[in-house]
Amino acid sequence: DIQMTQSPSTLSASVGDRVTITCRASQSISTWLAWYQQKPGKAPKLLIYQASILESGVPSRFSGSGSGTEFILTISTLQPDDFATYYCHQCSGFSQTFGPGTRVEMK
Amino acid sequence: EVQLVESGGALVHPGGSLRLSCTASGLTFSSYAMTWVRQAPGKGLEWVSGISGNGGSTYYADSVKGRFIISRDNPKSTVFLQMNSLSAEDTAVYYCAKCTKVITNTASFDYWGQGALVTVSS
Repeated sequence: DIQMTQSPSTLSASVGDRVTITCRASQSISTWLAWYQQKPGKAPKLLIYQASILESGVPSRFSGSGSGTEFILTISTLQPDDFATYYCHQCSGFSQTFGPGTRVEMK
Repeated sequence: EVQLVESGGALVHPGGSLRLSCTASGLTFSSYAMTWVRQAPGKGLEWVSGISGNGGSTYYADSVKGRFIISRDNPKSTVFLQMNSLSAEDTAVYYCAKCTKVITNTASFDYWGQGALVTVSS
């Protein structure tokens, strides 16, 4: 199975900061990578799919890049609503896996 | 608007069984694969199982293979997760989610239900 890692596990930031989260796959997944945002007690929300395509309705301050085994989620200017946990998800095959998550907390 | 509503979450004894249901509205149900994802208390997301749009292909995580069965009833726009031989490690909130394609591979999950809590305890 493909294993996913994320770094950092926790990130302390302030409103207005530029934030980057890295996700790595144990083998190449091309661009079959999605990013989700989850807030406590809520279902995850799709932000980015196919590594870099912004889901409809998601603010343009979110962007994704990468291919193969290394991917990055960037929040260009952190807003109060963005404090949450972010998960990457590889969907390259019939067995899928999520990264362990990155919690973005207020500094 | 697409909506997914799960039901069937409960407290069950170790070794017991439970069936979760997820009913969808606002979409042509058979055109999309569906999936189940779980989240243990305080933990991350774990993909559990997926099923193609016509129900002909099913996939499972190693942790549930041989114990869980995913199925769907397209006329009723409902996907099911039959869970057998449950243990404490299966305690989690179970989310159903709509895949972006009729097949599960290369599909992300664009709509999610509110989650159903399954607690396995004696």
